Amino acid sequence: DAGITQSPRHKVTETGTPVTLRCHQTENHRYMYWYRQDPGHGLRLIHYSYGVKDTDKGEVSDGYSVSRSKTEDFLLTLESATSSQTSVYFCAIATGTNTEAFFGQGTRLTVV
Amino acid sequence: GENVEQHPSTLSVQEGDSAVIKCTYSDSASNYFPWYKQELGKRPQLIIDIRSNVGEKKDQRIAVTLNKTAKHFSLHITETQPEDSAVYFCAASRTQAGTALIFGKGTTLSVSS
Repeated sequence: DAGITQSPRHKVTETGTPVTLRCHQTENHRYMYWYRQDPGHGLRLIHYSYGVKDTDKGEVSDGYSVSRSKTEDFLLTLESATSSQTSVYFCAIATGTNTEAFFGQGTRLTVV
Repeated sequence: GENVEQHPSTLSVQEGDSAVIKCTYSDSASNYFPWYKQELGKRPQLIIDIRSNVGEKKDQRIAVTLNKTAKHFSLHITETQPEDSAVYFCAASRTQAGTALIFGKGTTLSVSS
C-alpha cells in the first residue's frame, strides 16, 4: 500500500456541512496531493503540499482548504459541502515532482 | 500552469492488437511524463514513465515515446490482452520545487477476446 491511507473511505454528508478528509503517510515523502476524480474529467488537482505548512492551489481549489502541520498528515476540508463536490477523492504522495506518485485507496464522498 | 490533453477518451481493440494513446502538454518546462493505469474500483498505479532526456522507453509490451519539440508523448501497448482493459492516465510535471503533477482526462481501453 506504499504507506498511505485515507480516511474515511466512504462518507455521506448533507449540503452545507463541513467535511474533513485525512491522508496519512508513513513514508516521509515531501509531496502530498489531493485529486478528485469524476467521470469525463479524469484526475483534477485540488491542492498540493511540498512540505510542512507549504501548500498551493490546484486546478479546482474553490470550496476546499488544506492543512499540513506534520509531514505525515495532509487534511482536505470542504468548508460547506455542495452537491457538486460529490466525487471520489484521491490522495497521493511522492518524494519529488519527477518521481512516482503513490495513490491512496480513495474516499467516496456523497453530498445530499 | 500546465495543461495536459489526452486522446482518445475511449479505445476498443481486439485481443492481440496494438493500442496507442496520445497526450499533449502545454508547459515547455515539463520534463517528467508518467503513465498510470486504473482498474475498475482501484487506485491509479504507475506503469511506465519517461524523462525529457530520453526519447523512448520500453518495458515488455508497453512503450512510451516523447517528442519535446512538438510537446507530445504517447503510450503504446502491443499484443493487448483482456487484463489490459482499464483507464489510462498520462501526466506531466517539471522538476521544480512547489510545482505539481497534472493529469490528462484519461482513456478507457477495452480489450475484447
